[in-house]
Amino acid sequence: GQQVMQIPQYQHVQEGEDFTTYCNSSTTLSNIQWYKQRPGGHPVFLIQLVKSGEVKKQKRLTFQFGEAKKNSSLHITATQTTDVGTYFCAGSIFPGGTSYGKLTFGQGTILTVHP
Amino acid sequence: DGGITQSPKYLFRKEGQNVTLSCEQNLNHDAMYWYRQDPGQGLRLIYYSQIVNDFQKGDIAEGYSVSREKKESFPLTVTSAQKNPTAFYLCASSDPLAGGYNEQFFGPGTRLTVL
Repeated sequence: GQQVMQIPQYQHVQEGEDFTTYCNSSTTLSNIQWYKQRPGGHPVFLIQLVKSGEVKKQKRLTFQFGEAKKNSSLHITATQTTDVGTYFCAGSIFPGGTSYGKLTFGQGTILTVHP
Repeated sequence: DGGITQSPKYLFRKEGQNVTLSCEQNLNHDAMYWYRQDPGQGLRLIYYSQIVNDFQKGDIAEGYSVSREKKESFPLTVTSAQKNPTAFYLCASSDPLAGGYNEQFFGPGTRLTVL
């Protein structure tokens, strides 16, 4: 079945350092979504990427979708303590030209930011 | 105030007992999902439902059952057949036909501990 691998599993940074998490799928994706889960909380949607080679920015966060639509990355510039949490990628495949596909989540990257 | 509610937040059960986790949404979403979250393994899909009175098995459905008799409700039963039921359970919903992002909205989760 479809697999989505995410690395690293853990990342510890000093406040102000950059952070990147990578996501790789065993199959070509229709789209990829990113979620953030704060400690003790539930996942919250950040963004969706659909097009090959797409790059989107949200303030200090930059999201990329690979040309082959099999990998993605999330980069945070100058981390802050508010960035602490687990970041998940989630890939979707739309079978048979349908408009719906279930999400397969990566294992997540737990980000710790030391002040 | 729209959203997804899950109850209870913490649940304790004795081994061998069935237990039902509640999930209610007032977002008028057609699709609902149940995930299981274990440390280091991300979110794994248990069951999902795209419409009332219909549901499909996810990646780890063994030992679980669901029903979807109403659009707003998608209860999950953890049966005694589930070998390792202690976990954090998350319910989510989405509106696949709304256009735009098909993001999933998550409830606060239920932490189940089987003693």
